[in-house]
Amino acid sequence: QSVLRQPPSVSGAPGQRVTISCTGSSSNIGAGYDVHWYQQLPGTAPKLLIYGNDYRPSGVPDRFSGSKSGTSVSLAITGLQAEDEADYYCQSYDNSLSAYVFGPGTKVTVL
Amino acid sequence: EVQLVESGGGLVQAGRSLRLSCAASGFTFDDYAMHWVRQAPGKGLEWVSGISWNSDNIGYADSVKGRFTLSRDNAKNSLYLQMNSLRAEDTALYYCAKGGVEIVVPGMDFWDYWGQGTLVTVSS
Repeated sequence: QSVLRQPPSVSGAPGQRVTISCTGSSSNIGAGYDVHWYQQLPGTAPKLLIYGNDYRPSGVPDRFSGSKSGTSVSLAITGLQAEDEADYYCQSYDNSLSAYVFGPGTKVTVL
Repeated sequence: EVQLVESGGGLVQAGRSLRLSCAASGFTFDDYAMHWVRQAPGKGLEWVSGISWNSDNIGYADSVKGRFTLSRDNAKNSLYLQMNSLRAEDTALYYCAKGGVEIVVPGMDFWDYWGQGTLVTVSS
């Protein structure tokens, strides 16, 4: 059971907008710890997609955006493309566990 | 170009030990925390352990605390994970990951570069 909660899957047609939620608690997101997002394409290592809730590393398309409100954060993908099919993980820190934590991952399917 | 190359994985019997290594290049190694993140077959990501730039702060997941020991050698740009008393549930692909912030405050890190991983299989 992950400390951070994500939907197991989301899907959308090419060109559509999808969002992935990541919900935590007062010991992680609610305590003010930043949330970061990773994309993992099949058979590859994870790749940093968003850091510090809403910052994009250089090279990440601006179709990807992050937002935070209270104890929930979201990753949005606009203009969905076939190459976006992947698993997406949110990550933060939990001060009651004294550990970095991940969400269980969300599989994005492009219809 | 940042490169992280893991080694040391393999097949080992439960109860035995293994030492993973990560050779880093392409950045100022002693400015950044380093971490290990693992992924069991078909499962999600799990943070295993992390070490600050100067080795003053080392953290472990509860699942490995007391069995795994993380260390680094800044002179050799290398990270090590000593894994003792291995269990079947430690079977996973182990990724070496570079912290994303220089001289980061513990708890504020993320991982901007990852290696390709080294597979650890523990037979019971």
